[in-house]
Amino acid sequence: DAGITQSPRHKVTETGTPVTLRCHQTENHRYMYWYRQDPGHGLRLIHYSYGVKDTDKGEVSDGYSVSRSKTEDFLLTLESATSSQTSVYFCAISRTSGGAKDNEQFFGPGTRLTVL
Amino acid sequence: SQQGEEDPQALSIQEGENATMNCSYKTSINNLQWYRQNSGRGLVHLILIRSNEREKHSGRLRVTLDTSKKSSSLLITASRAADTASYFCATDGGNTGKLIFGQGTTLQVKP
Repeated sequence: DAGITQSPRHKVTETGTPVTLRCHQTENHRYMYWYRQDPGHGLRLIHYSYGVKDTDKGEVSDGYSVSRSKTEDFLLTLESATSSQTSVYFCAISRTSGGAKDNEQFFGPGTRLTVL
Repeated sequence: SQQGEEDPQALSIQEGENATMNCSYKTSINNLQWYRQNSGRGLVHLILIRSNEREKHSGRLRVTLDTSKKSSSLLITASRAADTASYFCATDGGNTGKLIFGQGTTLQVKP
């Protein structure tokens, strides 16, 4: 699992509340990613980070923000949770730097979020 | 947008048979990767094939890449019940470090 943990692993919250998911890595890799996985949509990239305080949007970033103040932690915040954000969220890291030809990713165990 | 599209969406075979999954993509790539996901777990990287490679092997896995047709196939030989999982292809079309995943093929291997 490349030393990747996610917390919490399960969360139920109500519409309109803020939610923060945490991804922690122990291997000091530069690239980190947040995805959501929904039936019929596969994995979709929300945000990613290429270094401390360096982040960029993915294809489904609306309603989400991220922060990376330390190499090992990448936080995903749902500013005001909606039912459409009910999903399984995965964090991933890449051991190689951007632009490398071998950029396989390693995934955390996932967080199952339910927004009522 | 999904660059990789897997086919079939679902596949059911008997243990010992071979399983073939296909992936098509739309733009030029640096590499194409295959991942496995067991139920309730995160994705696990299986194999990466570069754009200048045509075939690659890893144990019971064989991956082919045809850049002229923008397609790849994953063959699992002598399948086992433990191979039951969803399989995803992912493409890297540039130097951003991002991957684009397909929707996956769900494989069931019956004992």
